[in-house]
Amino acid sequence: EPEVTQTPSHQVTQMGQEVILRCVPISNHLYFYWYRQILGQKVEFLVSFYNNEISEKSEIFDDQFSVERPDGSNFTLKIRSTKLEDSAMYFCASRKTSGGAYEQYFGPGTRLTVT
Amino acid sequence: QQQVKQSPQSLIVQKGGISIINCAYENTAFDYFPWYQQFPGKGPALLIAIRPDVSEKKEGRFTISFNKSAKQFSLHIMDSQPGDSATYFCAAFKAAGNKLTFGGGTRVLVKP
Repeated sequence: EPEVTQTPSHQVTQMGQEVILRCVPISNHLYFYWYRQILGQKVEFLVSFYNNEISEKSEIFDDQFSVERPDGSNFTLKIRSTKLEDSAMYFCASRKTSGGAYEQYFGPGTRLTVT
Repeated sequence: QQQVKQSPQSLIVQKGGISIINCAYENTAFDYFPWYQQFPGKGPALLIAIRPDVSEKKEGRFTISFNKSAKQFSLHIMDSQPGDSATYFCAAFKAAGNKLTFGGGTRVLVKP
């Protein structure tokens, strides 16, 4: 069964450094998402992406964040200058179509630790 | 701000018992209400979902009950098993906004 994959599984970085989190969505899906989950808390929406542009973003997704679909398979989240409070699990998700299929499938996540 | 409120925060149930988790939402424009199951260190896995034009949906031991007028929905886990021990999140999806809004999560522990 197709699944969303994410790399790396764990990323440790120093405050102020740039990180890129990578995702490979399910192949025939058209909508892509990033969510984050601070340890022990709920899952929070960051951004949605469709047709090579951002369709929705949360207040968390400020100028330090950017997303890109550099090729036909990858979807990336870049944090330009990481802060301690960016430490969280980051989940990529994908959804099939706009035709009433609302199911979002999540990847296993990348644990980002900012020191 | 669109919110989804979930209760209880944690739940202990004996093997074979029924686990019931409740959620309430504030915005009537939601189009779809999924439940996700999450094990420690893993991503949320879609468990079961319902549309607002349906009052109940059952898949195996999992049932969603939906009350549109009360803006509430609940997950029932029948014949709970130790393998069901996980955190469960309700969520609501608005197609126009293209995002999921999650509840706070319920940690379920099924005792053998």
